[in-house]
Amino acid sequence: AQTVTQSQPEMSVQEAETVTLSCTYDTSESNYYLFWYKQPPSRQMILVIRQEAYKQQNATENRFSVNFQKAAKSFSLKISDSQLGDTAMYFCAFMRYNAGNMLTFGGGTRLMVKP
Amino acid sequence: SQTIHQWPATLVQPVGSPLSLECTVEGTSNPNLYWYRQAAGRGLQLLFYSVGIGQISSEVPQNLSASRPQDRQFILSSKKLLLSDSGFYLCAWSVRGGRGIYEQYFGPGTRLTVT
Repeated sequence: AQTVTQSQPEMSVQEAETVTLSCTYDTSESNYYLFWYKQPPSRQMILVIRQEAYKQQNATENRFSVNFQKAAKSFSLKISDSQLGDTAMYFCAFMRYNAGNMLTFGGGTRLMVKP
Repeated sequence: SQTIHQWPATLVQPVGSPLSLECTVEGTSNPNLYWYRQAAGRGLQLLFYSVGIGQISSEVPQNLSASRPQDRQFILSSKKLLLSDSGFYLCAWSVRGGRGIYEQYFGPGTRLTVT
């Protein structure tokens, strides 16, 4: 079974600064996918970014980028130029390849962006 | 475009009462469907998933059940609610595919309080 660990229950960052959220996972699989989801106060889950494990290049989506270290089983999310709207719970998630698209989620990190 | 609906948005039920939460997806066919529960301040726990009508897999043994009477309808039920059933219930869908990466898309959720 896979496990996903987010070791930072809460974080805060000043508006316009950069913050990095940590995620580690444990798996014996070689092919898999990793995701970061955002859950704002509305509680709607929103996909932020995804990474295929076979790709060495780190994924980026505008102000969001990841640092994927496959050997270390680490998948951190960097948010640049933080905005007040980035305030949310952030969840790291693992998906096995070709396994019904099921996700295993970490416990989440609550991010507060301060003005 | 695809949309996913859940209702009711909020529900307060006494212990021992029955439960029925509904999820419907529009704009796609043959989706994989998922039910998650999120306890307060916690991550998401996969409860059930379905790859087709009448095909339900349970991830966690409990007093909840799921059914898929139509291709784009997924229902979460209980005959007798427990206090521990309180939480935020999320439905999600993904494209059904044998290979490749198919992220999950989430509904707005139902907040259930068992009193």
